[in-house]
Amino acid sequence: GQQVMQIPQYQHVQEGEDFTTYCNSSTTLSNIQWYKQRPGGHPVFLIQLVKSGEVKKQKRLTFQFGEAKKNSSLHITATQTTDVGTYFCAGPTQGAQKLVFGQGTRLTINP
Amino acid sequence: DGGITQSPKYLFRKEGQNVTLSCEQNLNHDAMYWYRQDPGQGLRLIYYSQIVNDFQKGDIAEGYSVSREKKESFPLTVTSAQKNPTAFYLCASSTSGSGAKNIQYFGAGTRLSVL
Repeated sequence: GQQVMQIPQYQHVQEGEDFTTYCNSSTTLSNIQWYKQRPGGHPVFLIQLVKSGEVKKQKRLTFQFGEAKKNSSLHITATQTTDVGTYFCAGPTQGAQKLVFGQGTRLTINP
Repeated sequence: DGGITQSPKYLFRKEGQNVTLSCEQNLNHDAMYWYRQDPGQGLRLIYYSQIVNDFQKGDIAEGYSVSREKKESFPLTVTSAQKNPTAFYLCASSTSGSGAKNIQYFGAGTRLSVL
């Protein structure tokens, strides 16, 4: 079945350092979504990318969708303690009845 | 105030007991989902429903049951057949259909523990 792999599984950085997580799908995706889950919280939708090669920015966060629409990345510039949490990517199955989530990248930050 | 409400926030199950987790949404979404999350792990799909009176098994449906009698409600029952039920359970909803409509909105979750 369709799989979405995310690396790294964990990342610990010093506050102010950059952070990147990568997402790879076994199939071509119609879109890719990113979610953030704070410790003890629930996943919250961040952004959706639809077009091949699309790049979107939200303040210090940069999201990219690959040309082949099978991979994506999230880059955070100059991390802050508020960025702590687990970042998940997710892509819809064919027919879009459900999402397949990556395993997530857990980001911890040393202040 | 629109959103998804899960209750209870914490739940304890005795051995051999069935327990039901509530999920209610007032977003007028057609699709609803149940996920299980174990500590430090990702989201695993238990059941999902695209429309009232219809639902499909996800990846880990064994030991769980659901119903979808109303658009707003999608309760999950953790049966005694689920031998390792301790986990964080998340309910989500979305508009159904293809394209850019399948963004999921999550409830705050229910933490289930076994006594």
